[in-house]
Order: sequence, then C-alpha cells, then structure tokens
Amino acid sequence: GIQVEQSPPDLILQEGANSTLRCNFSDSVNNLQWFHQNPWGQLINLFYIPSGTKQNGRLSATTVATERYSLLYISSSQTTDSGVYFCAVDIYNFNKFYFGSGTKLNVKP
Amino acid sequence: KAGVTQTPRYLIKTRGQQVTLSCSPISGHRSVSWYQQTPGQGLQFLFEYFSETQRNKGNFPGRFSGRQFSNSRSEMNVSTLELGDSALYLCASSDGAGPGNTIYFGEGSWLTVV
Repeated sequence: GIQVEQSPPDLILQEGANSTLRCNFSDSVNNLQWFHQNPWGQLINLFYIPSGTKQNGRLSATTVATERYSLLYISSSQTTDSGVYFCAVDIYNFNKFYFGSGTKLNVKP
Repeated sequence: KAGVTQTPRYLIKTRGQQVTLSCSPISGHRSVSWYQQTPGQGLQFLFEYFSETQRNKGNFPGRFSGRQFSNSRSEMNVSTLELGDSALYLCASSDGAGPGNTIYFGEGSWLTVV
C-alpha cells in the first residue's frame, strides 16, 4: 500500500508561534485530507486538499500533488490547537484512507 | 444536521468474548467506513460499506466483520477477542467516494480487552 509519512512527530510551541506540518506520500492520490484529533479521540476535518491551496482562519494547507507532499500551516497558535494532526490519503476511491503516524502538537500558554 | 454517532463509547470485555459496535452516519450519507487506532499501529482501515455492500476490506483477520443496514447504519463485530484488540474504533461516513468526497468521523468507541 501507499506510504504516508508525517513530520515532525512531535512539536512544542509557545502560544502565538507559527508552525508547518508536512505530509509526504508515495503514490498519486485521489483524495487527501487533514484531520485534528482532539484529546477525546475524535478526528475533526480540517481540509480536503488533493491539490492546491486552501485557507480557513489561522489554518491553511497546500498540496503539491506532482511532488507528493502536503503542508499544513498553523499561524498564531493557541492552546486549543494542541492535539494530534493527521494526514490521510485515498488512492482507490473507496474511502480506504491511509493515515500517517501524525504530528503531536503541544501549544504552551 | 447530527454528526456521526457511535455507540457504545466505552466498553470493557474479557478475552474470548465478542463485541458489537454501532455507527449511525450523517443523515443522507451512504458510505460508512471503520478504522482501528492503536498506539503501536496507528490508524488502520478495517472495511467500508456503501449501500449495504462491502466495497473494500483492510488486512484484518476474519474475526473482524461488519455489515450495513438499509438505513445506512452500520455495525462491526469482533469475535473471540484478544488483548491486542484493545483500541479506539472509529467510524466515518460520507455521501460517496472519490474525488471531492470528504469523510466525517464519529467520536469513537474505546474498547478494552482484559
């Protein structure tokens, strides 16, 4: 199956700092999504972004499909941004998503 | 619109028992997929159902099974539980598949096998 690698695995930030999370994938994809897993375990959709750039408030994402990577930008981080961020890709169009191992973000006040 | 609902949220089972988890998708969604999350293996795909048909299956033993009903609600069953089945089981729903499709997750069912 496809390989999905996320970096860094852990990230500690001071509140107000900016960060960039990276997701590399080993094959062409039809679907790529970023999720934030909250402390209670729920995965919250952030972006559907198989290519191009999108922004939603302090978050933005860019996927360069030809080079097989995606970036998630968090600006002016807040303590509520803490949690684990996952990148997931689908290549078969049957909602069979392959997840990276995640980036664990800790934003300190 | 209500989100994806999973029940039960927490449960403890004994080795050798079986367990059934339930998932109610977002209204109008016909695709339901299941994932297992463990600290060691991360998030792994179990299976996906669309209009009561299993379209895809992950690499899990036959002890893991699922089904989808005509109202799109889905259940997954794990028989002969092993300690290694302790995990967070997540259900996701969507209104289709492929390009443009977004999946939405429920809060998950935390299973502990003792």
